[in-house]
Amino acid sequence: GAVVSQHPSRVICKSGTSVKIECRSLDFQATTMFWYRQFPKKSLMLMATSNEGSKATYEQGVEKDKFLINHASLTLSTLTVTSAHPEDSSFYICSARDRQGYYEQYFGPGTRLTVT
Amino acid sequence: GESVGLHLPTLSVQEGDNSIINCAYSNSASDYFIWYKQESGKGPQFIIDIRSNMDKRQGQRVTVLLNKTVKHLSLQIAATQPGDSAVYFCAEKGGSGNTGKLIFGQGTTLQVKP
Repeated sequence: GAVVSQHPSRVICKSGTSVKIECRSLDFQATTMFWYRQFPKKSLMLMATSNEGSKATYEQGVEKDKFLINHASLTLSTLTVTSAHPEDSSFYICSARDRQGYYEQYFGPGTRLTVT
Repeated sequence: GESVGLHLPTLSVQEGDNSIINCAYSNSASDYFIWYKQESGKGPQFIIDIRSNMDKRQGQRVTVLLNKTVKHLSLQIAATQPGDSAVYFCAEKGGSGNTGKLIFGQGTTLQVKP
């Protein structure tokens, strides 16, 4: 149980375009999902907290108009990188918290974004 | 501010030996800690967790120790295997209230020599 998927696993896009990444909890309902960004050989950096049915809460320094987050259902959150630039290239990881849980977060496999 | 860090960036051990990975945290109010394993190109995988009302917790081949006095967390892996080679992160449940936010340490790369 407690499986989180991400789609796509890899994506290459051109500068100036937008790309959407999906995060799904497959066998549980997640009222809260988290989006992280990870650079090579670095730790995970929390970008935002996504709450079902409400606006996401962004961490300091993360542009909300650049990284659009939508959490429309209890099993799906999306991250859209708008007007992507090469510096947006990174590994994006989501996690989901079971609505019945308090502490546990389950992580997705990550999405490798490359902007050319 | 809150921060979670690791003492050693890389740990190299012989197959079959025990491994100890350390972590320091700064927020004495944190009440929940987790160890994750991350293999190259994959998301973090839960290993073991511990709540602040405990000092030790054991899993299969892994033990987590929590020393709240010095704000130190460690992960012990018994009989380390090649499949244990990965980056290990400690994480601390930070933030006020029940936001559930995790703060990750910088990571330790574990290399297992055959």
